[in-house]
Amino acid sequence: QQQVKQSPQSLIVQKGGISIINCAYENTAFDYFPWYQQFPGKGPALLIAIRPDVSEKKEGRFTISFNKSAKQFSLHIMDSQPGDSATYFCAASMDYRDDKIIFGKGTRLHILP
Amino acid sequence: DGGITQSPKYLFRKEGQNVTLSCEQNLNHDAMYWYRQDPGQGLRLIYYSQIVNDFQKGDIAEGYSVSREKKESFPLTVTSAQKNPTAFYLCASSDYSNEQFFGPGTRLTVL
Repeated sequence: QQQVKQSPQSLIVQKGGISIINCAYENTAFDYFPWYQQFPGKGPALLIAIRPDVSEKKEGRFTISFNKSAKQFSLHIMDSQPGDSATYFCAASMDYRDDKIIFGKGTRLHILP
Repeated sequence: DGGITQSPKYLFRKEGQNVTLSCEQNLNHDAMYWYRQDPGQGLRLIYYSQIVNDFQKGDIAEGYSVSREKKESFPLTVTSAQKNPTAFYLCASSDYSNEQFFGPGTRLTVL
């Protein structure tokens, strides 16, 4: 119940295309769903996050879509650029005071120039 | 500048040796974490601490130890009991906003 399942494991997209990464969770107590971006040899950094009271959140070219009934959420990267090539992690946490975040296993994204 | 620093960036260890990885933050965050990253495995939680002088085991604590004597510091010791320590180690901190801030990582290699 504590798992967050992420797919695909790797993804190749043409420059200008849409990159889509999906995640699913079981525990309905999760109430915070962030996405982290990690470049090779660096630590992850928060990209965008959503709470279950909204179905979509957009920041620039990055959008999170959230389906509470299906217990799924996804990251869409519009107009994908070579600089977006990185590993992306979805995550979930239950309570802001708990502070422990459950991470998916990551998606390695490569954008072809 | 506020942030998290980890040292060293690269660390080599002989089998049977203990090594300590440093993590320091000046963000005034109460909570700190240690993760291990292996290819295809994502981020696995080793230990975390929500307050000074207190810490809890994560999912893969065996062969590791930590201390939290100061709010700013959360060092991780990889002991000789850890059978496969070669990995990328990440330290993070957070306040009560849920966002975790990560350091640049330490790559540990066992020779």
